[in-house]
Amino acid sequence: SQQGEEDPQALSIQEGENATMNCSYKTSINNLQWYRQNSGRGLVHLILIRSNEREKHSGRLRVTLDTSKKSSSLLITASRAADTASYFCATDATGTASKLTFGTGTRLQVTL
Amino acid sequence: SAVISQKPSRDICQRGTSLTIQCQVDSQVTMMFWYRQQPGQSLTLIATANQGSEATYESGFVIDKFPISRPNLTFSTLTVSNMSPEDSSIYLCSVGGGDWGNEQFFGPGTRLTVL
Repeated sequence: SQQGEEDPQALSIQEGENATMNCSYKTSINNLQWYRQNSGRGLVHLILIRSNEREKHSGRLRVTLDTSKKSSSLLITASRAADTASYFCATDATGTASKLTFGTGTRLQVTL
Repeated sequence: SAVISQKPSRDICQRGTSLTIQCQVDSQVTMMFWYRQQPGQSLTLIATANQGSEATYESGFVIDKFPISRPNLTFSTLTVSNMSPEDSSIYLCSVGGGDWGNEQFFGPGTRLTVL
């Protein structure tokens, strides 16, 4: 399987803490995207990082990419209860015409 | 980004029947895709919906089981044929991969339960 791996599979933190999720993939990529999914609904696009970028920020989100290690991380700072969701990374591999390969996902629980 | 709608949002079907899922986008898009998310799992690409030609299927998915239409640049349908309980999943369409700087956006999904 070409599916990427995410860790941890599940993460439980308190509101205000930071949450870090990691993603590893197997092939050369054009870009990597992170998504959030609430309770089995549609995916919300969070951020895209290109293969020639190393770090990107969007609000409370910080994404890093290390192409030599084929890994990425998503940091959510000052987490809120509303951040409770599943988070997926998805890679657009080189030469695949924008087809996405998803990681296994991290289930984040933020408690009050 | 794009506004994407799917119909139906959910359905409960009997084994052996077929269900057609619609995906509508509020603007013309080049790339449209269909994904499946089995219970508790991640997403897997079923096929790329090509406008005016046959869809391109991924390994493990065939046209007889998942026929796809794409009559124009804003609309596509996915049919799940001769359903079995193993087809119970969330089916999602997505658009992008070039129209918005390679970002892909997803519809709200169709939750299918097969009894």
